[in-house]
Amino acid sequence: EPEVTQTPSHQVTQMGQEVILRCVPISNHLYFYWYRQILGQKVEFLVSFYNNEISEKSEIFDDQFSVERPDGSNFTLKIRSTKLEDSAMYFCASSFRGETYNEQFFGPGTRLTVL
Amino acid sequence: AQSVTQPDIHITVSEGASLELRCNYSYGATPYLFWYVQSPGQGLQLLLKYFSGDTLVQGIKGFEAEFKRSQSSFNLRKPSVHWSDAAEYFCAVGFYNTDKLIFGTGTRLQVFP
Repeated sequence: EPEVTQTPSHQVTQMGQEVILRCVPISNHLYFYWYRQILGQKVEFLVSFYNNEISEKSEIFDDQFSVERPDGSNFTLKIRSTKLEDSAMYFCASSFRGETYNEQFFGPGTRLTVL
Repeated sequence: AQSVTQPDIHITVSEGASLELRCNYSYGATPYLFWYVQSPGQGLQLLLKYFSGDTLVQGIKGFEAEFKRSQSSFNLRKPSVHWSDAAEYFCAVGFYNTDKLIFGTGTRLQVFP
C-alpha cells in the first residue's frame, strides 16, 4: 500500500541553524501539507501546497518557514533559523484532491529537537 | 471560541471491554468529522470519517462513530477492545472552504490484558 515517507525520523539542531525536513508524498497525490505537534499539545496545521504554490497557511507559518517541491517526488519544509520553540514533531501529509473531505494520508513524522 | 475538544486525556480499559472516546466540536456549521489513530512511531491513520448522510459510520479495525448534531459530538466506539488498539486517538474537523484539518488534543488509550 502506498504511503507517505519522511526523513529523517529525528533531527537535532542548534538554535539559529537551518533545517530541511523531507517528505515523499504518495505518487499520484496533488495536494501536500505540513502539520506540527509540540510535545503534549494538539496537531496544528502549518501549510498546504498545490500546483507549486502555497494554497493556505496558518499564522504559525511565518517568514522563517518555506516549502518547496524541488522535483517530482519530494516535498520539503525549511526552517531558516530555528528557535527553541520549533522543537516538535512535524508531519507531512498528502491527498489526491484538496478540501478536507478528501483523505489526507500522513507520514510517520520527523521529530525536531532544537538545542 | 471555535474548538475541538477531547475531554479524556488518558483512558485505560481491559481487553475485551467496550470503549467510547468522546469528541465535541464548537463551530457554527457542521464540519466534516474524522477520527485518526497514531501508534508509537507511526503516522496518523484514518479510522473513519463523516461528511453527510447516515450519522453512524463504520471504520476500520471494528471502530464506529456516531454524529449527534444536537450535542455537537462525534464519539468513537468499539464493542470489544483488543490489546493492539492501544494508541493515541485524535478527533479532527474540516470544512469545505479550507485545506486544513483541526485536531483535538488526543486521547491516549491503554489496554490491560
